[in-house]
Amino acid sequence: AQKVTQAQTEISVVEKEDVTLDCVYETRDTTYYLFWYKQPPSGELVFLIRRNSFDEQNEISGRYSWNFQKSTSSFNFTITASQVVDSAVYFCALSEADDYKLSFGAGTTVTVRA
Amino acid sequence: NAGVMQNPRHLVRRRGQEARLRCSPMKGHSHVYWYRQLPEEGLKFMVYLQKENIIDESGMPKERFSAEFPKEGPSILRIQQVVRGDSAAYFCASSDTTGNNEQFFGPGTRLTVL
Repeated sequence: AQKVTQAQTEISVVEKEDVTLDCVYETRDTTYYLFWYKQPPSGELVFLIRRNSFDEQNEISGRYSWNFQKSTSSFNFTITASQVVDSAVYFCALSEADDYKLSFGAGTTVTVRA
Repeated sequence: NAGVMQNPRHLVRRRGQEARLRCSPMKGHSHVYWYRQLPEEGLKFMVYLQKENIIDESGMPKERFSAEFPKEGPSILRIQQVVRGDSAAYFCASSDTTGNNEQFFGPGTRLTVL
C-alpha cells in the first residue's frame, strides 16, 4: 500500500511566485517521522526537514515553510518567492517508529522559469 | 566530518556483466541502507545492513542482487548479470542508530546498462 502520496507530478511557476507541494501520508503508528528531500538536476538528495508526529508546529526556514496537519495526514511544503535554483524534484518521505525504512512519495518536479 | 561516500558516481555496464557499488558510511555510523531510484520514480528501500549482518533484505530482488557490509571496508551492493531494467540510481544512506530514523544519504551511483 502506498504510504506517501504526492499527487502533483509537475509544477511550473514563474520566478517569485509561491509554490506549495502536497504530501499525504498513511500510517497506523502513532509515532512516525516525516521528511522532505530535494533532488536537484545534479542528482544528489538534499535533506530539507525532519518532523516527528508529536510536533505539529509549523516550521519556517528562510523561504521554505512546512504545514503539518495530523487531522488530514498531510505535510505540505511551500516555497515562497521561488527562484530558478529551486528547480528540482522534491520528495516527501515517511518513516514509522518501529521501522527504519523510509517510504518515499513519487516526487514532484518543480520548474521555476526566469 | 566526511559525509556518506559512494563510488563510482557513474557506472556503465553491458548486459550480463557484474556491477559493484560501494558505500562508505559516515564516520561513527554502523547502519547502512540501500535504496534504488528507477527513472521517473521515488526511492525504494532495498536492504538494511549492520556490520557483518544483513538485517532486512525485503526490498532486494530475489535473484542476482546481493549486499554485504564487512567488518572492515565499505558496504557493497553487487548486481550479477545485469539487465537493462537494472539501470537506475542507487543511493546509500547511513545512520548511527535506528532510534531517531535519521538517515544521511550519499550522492548516489548511476548505473547504466547498455
